[in-house]
Parts: sequence; C-alpha cells; structure tokens
Amino acid sequence: GENVEQHPSTLSVQEGDSAVIKCTYSDSASNYFPWYKQELGKGPQLIIDIRSNVGEKKDQRIAVTLNKTAKHFSLHITETQPEDSAVYFCAAYPRDSNYQLIWGAGTKLIIKP
Amino acid sequence: NAGVTQTPKFRVLKTGQSMTLLCAQDMNHEYMYWYRQDPGMGLRLIHYSVGEGTTAKGEVPDGYNVSRLKKQNFLLGLESAAPSQTSVYFCATGTINEQFFGPGTRLTVL
Repeated sequence: GENVEQHPSTLSVQEGDSAVIKCTYSDSASNYFPWYKQELGKGPQLIIDIRSNVGEKKDQRIAVTLNKTAKHFSLHITETQPEDSAVYFCAAYPRDSNYQLIWGAGTKLIIKP
Repeated sequence: NAGVTQTPKFRVLKTGQSMTLLCAQDMNHEYMYWYRQDPGMGLRLIHYSVGEGTTAKGEVPDGYNVSRLKKQNFLLGLESAAPSQTSVYFCATGTINEQFFGPGTRLTVL
C-alpha cells in the first residue's frame, strides 16, 4: 500500500525567510496530494492541494510542487510570518484507497522573530 | 454554523473502562471519519462512514467500534480502554478533496 514520508520533522526559520517541506510517496497511482495546517489546539485545515496532472500550484505566499517521476511533492512558504508557525501535514490519495488519505507524520514549523 | 464539534474535549480513563466519543456536523456531508493522532505518526484513520447507517474499517480499527445512526452524528466507542489508546482523537467530515476537522478529544488511559 501507499506510504508517505515527510521531512523534516521540525523546521525553524527566521521570519521573512522561506520554508520548504518535502514529502515522498511510494504508490505511483496516487493522484491527489493535499497539505493541511494544524494550529495549536485545533484540527488540521486544508491550505493547498495539487493533482497529478499539474506540476505546480500557487496561492499567495504558498506553493506546492509535484515531481511524479521522483514521486515527491513539496510545500513552499515564502516571506514567512509568525502566524505560519504550526504543524503541517502532507497526504496522498491512492486511486484504489477507498476514501482513505495516507498522511505524512507532520512537520513542526517554527518562525523565529 | 458550528461545523464539526466533538464531545468531550478531554477524558481520563482507567484501563478496562469504556467510553463513547461523539462527533456532530452541521455541514450536511455524507462522509465522516475518525482519526487518531500520535506524536511522530501523523493521522491514522480508525473508521469511516460514507453515509447514514454505514461504517467501514480504516487503517487502525482494532479496539474501536463506531455507529452512524444519523447523518449528522458519528460515534466512536472504546469497549475496554488500553494505555495504547492514549491519543488525540479527531473527527472529520467532507470529501477526499477537503476534510473539515473537529477540535479533537484528548484521551488518556491510565
């Protein structure tokens, strides 16, 4: 079955710098890759997603890239701000998964003032 | 609209006790999910439901039971709690394209 690995587990960046979180997946049939943000004491919330027929997607300071050949996708946050501090999860949806997303282990992003 | 609510927010159980976690949604979605979140392991699906009266097993269903008697409610039961079930439990609704999560229930089993 599908396996999603996420790196790094913790990322600390200076406010204003960029942050990059990377995920790799094992099932080449996976076709949907969302990213969720979890703030302290809350449930995760979808921030951006990408489908397998697209290489890159942007939404203001957030972008996601997908490399199907290498089977990895990345979240890029530019001009980081204190409110970007959170835990970020990637996920993959295998085509035959029966409504189940397969989640990465999460990355704790710390924005230093 | 409240979105997704979970009851209770915190609970401490002794080994062998039972309890039920309640999830309610007012978003009119068919699908509902129960996840557990453990440090370093991300979110793992326990059970899910694709509609009223239906349930299915997820990745880690052992030790849990669920019921979906009404479209808006999804109950997660622990029949005989074990320390390995200490975790944060999240309910979600929506579709694969976007899941909406509740605030979570922190459960400790002593």
